[in-house]
Amino acid sequence: GDSVTQMEGPVTLSEEAFLTINCTYTATGYPSLFWYVQYPGEGLQLLLKATKADDKGSNKGFEATYRKETTSFHLEKGSVQVSDSAVYFCALMDTGRRALTFGSGTRLQVQP
Amino acid sequence: DGGITQSPKYLFRKEGQNVTLSCEQNLNHDAMYWYRQDPGQGLRLIYYSQIVNDFQKGDIAEGYSVSREKKESFPLTVTSAQKNPTAFYLCASTPGQAYSNQPQHFGDGTRLSIL
Repeated sequence: GDSVTQMEGPVTLSEEAFLTINCTYTATGYPSLFWYVQYPGEGLQLLLKATKADDKGSNKGFEATYRKETTSFHLEKGSVQVSDSAVYFCALMDTGRRALTFGSGTRLQVQP
Repeated sequence: DGGITQSPKYLFRKEGQNVTLSCEQNLNHDAMYWYRQDPGQGLRLIYYSQIVNDFQKGDIAEGYSVSREKKESFPLTVTSAQKNPTAFYLCASTPGQAYSNQPQHFGDGTRLSIL
């Protein structure tokens, strides 16, 4: 079945550091890929998405590129802020159920 | 503003009791989903509904039940058969199948605990 693997956290960075959170997936077909962010005690907010190979999703300085050849969708940001501290989830949407399969989440802590 | 409303925010269950979590959306979305989140883990699919009066089991449906009598509502019942119900429950929705690449929108969740 479908699966998503993302790097374990927590990831601790200083403000203005470069961020990479790795995400790889296993799926049949060509699923859509997403990054969601979760702040403490809240639901999930969509951060960015990509629906086909070589698409680049971007939002709020975050970027991720759909790499079919490496089945990856790594999240990057050039300069993190304290307000970026949260848990980040990589997910894919299967074409049948249109349900999401999630990675286990990566907690990011940004220190001033 | 359109969105998904989950209630209550916190819920406590006694042994042998059934409890129902509410999920209402005013986004006019056809499909709705229930996920369970355990600490330090990703979300897992419990049930989903692509259209009114129809729903399907997800990956961890045992001990749960749902109904979809109205487009905007998708309540989840956690039955006494669910032996480990303590978790954070999230409801989501997405437009119909004609919009197959649209992301899911999430509510703010209900945290269920055992007394």
